Amino acid sequence: DTAVSQTPKYLVTQMGNDKSIKCEQNLGHDTMYWYKQDSKKFLKIMFSYNNKELIINETVPNRFSPKSPDKAHLNLHINSLELGDSAVYFCASTYSSQGNGELFFGEGSRLTVL
Amino acid sequence: KNEVEQSPQNLTAQEGEFITINCSYSVGISALHWLQQHPGGGIVSLFMLSSGKKKHGRLIATINIQEKHSSLHITASHPRDSAVYICAAYFGNEKLTFGTGTRLTIIP
Repeated sequence: DTAVSQTPKYLVTQMGNDKSIKCEQNLGHDTMYWYKQDSKKFLKIMFSYNNKELIINETVPNRFSPKSPDKAHLNLHINSLELGDSAVYFCASTYSSQGNGELFFGEGSRLTVL
Repeated sequence: KNEVEQSPQNLTAQEGEFITINCSYSVGISALHWLQQHPGGGIVSLFMLSSGKKKHGRLIATINIQEKHSSLHITASHPRDSAVYICAAYFGNEKLTFGTGTRLTIIP
């Protein structure tokens, strides 16, 4: 059983389209994250949710809208895709929102905007 | 400003060599994470530490709170250790700040 699973793994789309990436964790964790990894492999936090509540929104354009229907799921919807949105998006979860719990990552979703 | 710096950016070594990757951070932290990302892309958590030293197999992580510095060591390195190693620090603001990663290549 995959602990943190993301779908889709690959996504190729045209500029201006709207797309979603889904994330589910079966670890019983309360805290989930979306991270963006750019072409230089640099990871940056986008959003953090704790028990379905948004706790971090890191200066991300409002074209990005996370949704957490329950604490096991954190989805990412992106409107009006732009070329600069091309990246690998990682979902992660942990039992602690204080940064001192082990992180479990999904396999990543590689988004390519043409 | 919360910053995390890693060195070296790239490291190539022969199989069997002892490897050290360094991570420095700007201000006091509550915890520091070491992550591993293989060429296939997945990220795995190796260690989370707030003081002292942790060991798992051939991997050892140490942290010196006074010097604001952590090291990741790999003993008897093997080609399968080739990956990007990332340190990330928790500064108490509910988010991790990541270093830029160290790309390690172990040559057989």
